Amino acid sequence: DGGITQSPKYLFRKEGQNVTLSCEQNLNHDAMYWYRQDPGQGLRLIYYSQIVNDFQKGDIAEGYSVSREKKESFPLTVTSAQKNPTAFYLCASIGLAGSVNEQFFGPGTRLTVL
Amino acid sequence: AQSVAQPEDQVNVAEGNPLTVKCTYSVSGNPYLFWYVQYPNRGLQFLLKYITGDNLVKGSYGFEAEFNKSQTSFHLKKPSALVSDSALYFCAVRDTPGSSNTGKLIFGQGTTLQVKP
Repeated sequence: DGGITQSPKYLFRKEGQNVTLSCEQNLNHDAMYWYRQDPGQGLRLIYYSQIVNDFQKGDIAEGYSVSREKKESFPLTVTSAQKNPTAFYLCASIGLAGSVNEQFFGPGTRLTVL
Repeated sequence: AQSVAQPEDQVNVAEGNPLTVKCTYSVSGNPYLFWYVQYPNRGLQFLLKYITGDNLVKGSYGFEAEFNKSQTSFHLKKPSALVSDSALYFCAVRDTPGSSNTGKLIFGQGTTLQVKP
């Protein structure tokens, strides 16, 4: 089955630790996105990548980093600089950034800071 | 700047009654509009989209949405609600191809739909 996988489903982080969230897609999509979801605030864009080896900051990139070394993978690192990282993180992809198609979403990772 | 507003945090309806979840938008140029549904601790599932053409768009699970350009609205509707429709619903607008072509979505804050038996 084609789709987007995110791992782990639940992640716990201690203060001061960096953690990496995995996002993998086998849809052969060029563009990938990371969103953060907080209650009552909808989804906010963290980073996005329209093509391999290229990515751009979204609206709330501070305290996060990404890489796009392979078309299938777009991992997100939550660094210790992110002061309030507890949230639900969603990865999405689309065939071409300029297309009219909808984004496909992964199942999400819930990050909790202890 | 583009924006999306969902004026209701929660909508309550009885099973079998029609439902409406409201969405208004602000964009420059022609809007590309989407509705997604989210069940607890899950990702977003695509319901329907408006790109161009007929103002009434039909989507998954019996949902439809009406695009109204003069009122800048894209309300989600269903003629007869089911208890299983209870979920969180998001309206989103995309930046228009031909501008920056980033494919980014701008989301409303979400509306919780509660359908009671």
